[in-house]
Amino acid sequence: DAGITQSPRYKITETGRQVTLMCHQTWSHSYMFWYRQDLGHGLRLIYYSAAADITDKGEVPDGYVVSRSKTENFPLTLESATRSQTSVYFCASRDRVSNTGELFFGEGSRLTVL
Amino acid sequence: GDSVTQMEGPVTLSEEAFLTINCTYTATGYPSLFWYVQYPGEGLQLLLKATKADDKGSNKGFEATYRKETTSFHLEKGSVQVSDSAVYFCALSQGTNAGKSTFGDGTTLTVKP
Repeated sequence: DAGITQSPRYKITETGRQVTLMCHQTWSHSYMFWYRQDLGHGLRLIYYSAAADITDKGEVPDGYVVSRSKTENFPLTLESATRSQTSVYFCASRDRVSNTGELFFGEGSRLTVL
Repeated sequence: GDSVTQMEGPVTLSEEAFLTINCTYTATGYPSLFWYVQYPGEGLQLLLKATKADDKGSNKGFEATYRKETTSFHLEKGSVQVSDSAVYFCALSQGTNAGKSTFGDGTTLTVKP
């Protein structure tokens, strides 16, 4: 199906474990983003990517790693999960050519770190 | 840097009431402005947008006008329904800034029958 998909939708893990959240988009959008959503903080940008093999830090990158070897995939890895990383994570993409900057979001991955 | 300030919530209204959610922004240049909506358990989706001053975005009975003189993009709906209960985010995007968007903190709307 066309669109942007995230997996897993729900994940429970323990402190110290590595977790990878997957994001896949079918539009060949250049830009991709990872946000986390926490009560009282709105959406905060973790990492973003302007193209394959180009990534950069956002507002709250500590404790996270990203890669983008293919345009359509943008996985987010928590190398050693902490309780403060319990959150809902959203992946988003947008077209470089579009001059309006509209973002397309996945349905989110709810992560609980025990 | 760019910033977006939107009305704090939560907002609770009765069905058929008039809705206004205020949004103001600070940005250099000429950003595009957006309202995104997030229904319970879902991701954000675009509700409406405006790309230049005096443009009016509209969708599903919601409207917002890009006011450059007051740097505002207030969301309005004349008669809300229970199904409009959601979190609403105001956002801006610049042509530069590596494609990044700036979001407000979100306003939770609950509409009671």
